[in-house]
Amino acid sequence: AQSVTQLDSHVSVSEGTPVLLRCNYSSSYSPSLFWYVQHPNKGLQLLLKYTSAATLVKGINGFEAEFKKSETSFHLTKPSAHMSDAAEYFCVVSGSNTNAGKSTFGDGTTLTVKP
Amino acid sequence: DVKVTQSSRYLVKRTGEKVFLECVQDMDHENMFWYRQDPGLGLRLIYFSYDVKMKEKGDIPEGYSVSREKKERFSLILESASTNQTSMYLCASSYEGGLRSPLHFGNGTRLTVT
Repeated sequence: AQSVTQLDSHVSVSEGTPVLLRCNYSSSYSPSLFWYVQHPNKGLQLLLKYTSAATLVKGINGFEAEFKKSETSFHLTKPSAHMSDAAEYFCVVSGSNTNAGKSTFGDGTTLTVKP
Repeated sequence: DVKVTQSSRYLVKRTGEKVFLECVQDMDHENMFWYRQDPGLGLRLIYFSYDVKMKEKGDIPEGYSVSREKKERFSLILESASTNQTSMYLCASSYEGGLRSPLHFGNGTRLTVT
């Protein structure tokens, strides 16, 4: 069994300040973890992924995330928010051992960036 | 870059109509998925396919069927549309690689059933 919890449904930051979006997971298997971003009326776009290599993962648009097994966390960070970062963010765990690897999505965190 | 194309961005259908949602990917991916996204309910998996002519039920398959006759195309079928199927439908694909493969999404089809 696997699950993912995004600890904040809404996060609001000012432009130029750091972003922290929190994600905790559980998985019966050694998981793969992903962060996706969704802008209004668009599909989801992959930001970054963790697949058991380096625990600090760098993604697109200056985002990064750190896999912490002891804390079962995979928080997403960015040093300085930009207006274009305003979107919904999804943390996803994939830990099944089946070929198609079913993914479990978090409920999403809406990021608002204030000027 | 992987492209996943959903044939319609917006659809309006009447209750009882048969509805086809089409999805095509151009990267020779083995796996394809259909999700629906609803406010407060997140993304829920309807069906997925890991090979041509193969299909597996997801978490909410009731009222839906799928077809995968060619590797690049995965169709979602609503046999008799109902108002509770009004939603955003997202298609995704991934290469064979099990859990390590990220999903590549289309831009979604917003379906309204009246």
